[in-house]
Amino acid sequence: QSVLTQPPSVSAAPGQRVTISCSGSSSDIGANFVSWYQLLPGTAPKLLIYENNKRPSGIPDRFSGSRSGTSATLGITGLQTGDEADYYCGAWDSSLSVAVFGGGTKLTVL
Amino acid sequence: EVQLVQSGAEVKKPGESLKISCKGSGYTFISYWIGWVRQMPGKGLEWMGIIYPGDSDTTYSPSFQGQVSISADRSITTAYLQWSSLKVSDTAVYYCARCSGPRANSDRCGIWGKGTTVTVSS
Repeated sequence: QSVLTQPPSVSAAPGQRVTISCSGSSSDIGANFVSWYQLLPGTAPKLLIYENNKRPSGIPDRFSGSRSGTSATLGITGLQTGDEADYYCGAWDSSLSVAVFGGGTKLTVL
Repeated sequence: EVQLVQSGAEVKKPGESLKISCKGSGYTFISYWIGWVRQMPGKGLEWMGIIYPGDSDTTYSPSFQGQVSISADRSITTAYLQWSSLKVSDTAVYYCARCSGPRANSDRCGIWGKGTTVTVSS
């Protein structure tokens, strides 16, 4: 059971917008920055968002992140079939002194 | 180009030892942390631990403390993940990641290796 809670799956049509939620607690998301990663089958995890809402160079602005209290959200606009992947949120847990992930969300672009 | 290159897939038997590697290039190896992440078949990501090659400062996630050993050789810009006695349950893909600080997931972990598949079977 993951420390951070994500929906197992989300889906939307090409061109649409989707959001993925990540719920935590006062010791992880509530106290530390959140990152989001994309896992395509057979490839390395890719950092999409760091420090709650910052995008590394090369990540299109279709991807956005936000944090409010003990929850975080990843938003993806203009969905493309190439966005079909597993998405993970992550944060540092100050009480456990360990990095934690959500259980992952599978995005299907219908 | 900044990259982490991981060693190839391994097939081992229970009880055997194993050391997999992650070679950094294109950046100052001793200035960033290197973390290790496990993905068991059909499961999610789990942080195992992290090392600062500059001084070998290492921390382990509680679930992995005593189960694995993380090390680094600055002279060849390579980090390692090691087992002394593998179990079938160690079957997984293992990723290394370059992070800007020790608080992985809250510090920026922007460069990842492609993963090493470890299969442990009798």
